[in-house]
Amino acid sequence: AQSVTQLGSHVSVSEGALVLLRCNYSSSVPPYLFWYVQYPNQGLQLLLKYTSAATLVKGINGFEAEFKKSETSFHLTKPSAHMSDAAEYFCAVSEWGFQKLVFGTGTRLLVSP
Amino acid sequence: DAMVIQNPRYQVTQFGKPVTLSCSQTLNHNVMYWYQQKSSQAPKLLFHYYDKDFNNEADTPDNFQSRRPNTSFCFLDIRSPGLGDTAMYLCATSTSPPTDTQYFGPGTRLTVL
Repeated sequence: AQSVTQLGSHVSVSEGALVLLRCNYSSSVPPYLFWYVQYPNQGLQLLLKYTSAATLVKGINGFEAEFKKSETSFHLTKPSAHMSDAAEYFCAVSEWGFQKLVFGTGTRLLVSP
Repeated sequence: DAMVIQNPRYQVTQFGKPVTLSCSQTLNHNVMYWYQQKSSQAPKLLFHYYDKDFNNEADTPDNFQSRRPNTSFCFLDIRSPGLGDTAMYLCATSTSPPTDTQYFGPGTRLTVL
């Protein structure tokens, strides 16, 4: 069964610093991978997704992620953090033949001035 | 704008008093999902509809039911809410899982007293 592990329930960065949120997946077949962001008291919004095309995926708000099969990873990065990036980030995985996503436990990003 | 709408945004109910949460969509997506998200946790899938086909998760309590009278609307019924059902309930839609994006509504925050 597919699953994702997000290392670090909380990540703190300074404004302007690199953002790195880690996600490792487990899947018996080529996976489809997603990053969603959730602001307080709101639903989830897609940042980016990997569906077996280019391994470096660019998303909204300057975020990108790289699919690395050898490391079973799909880490999310942003070169320069902004205060508005403070939110909860969820990595999720799915597989062909499944109609649902499996979410990781989430990482809360804190951005300080 | 096409979107996913949830009503009400906030609901307070008493222990054991039935409650119904509503989700509607203008995206004309054929798949609709209901998630439960407890505080500081990942969304947990309760069930989903693929067109009229209902798919229940194995660990979803019998207390939770769902109805989809047409493509646009989906309801979550909690027959006898317990204190442990206090959570955010998220509705989402998609067209072609597993690769398609899931679009989330803003959620209904349910409090059981």
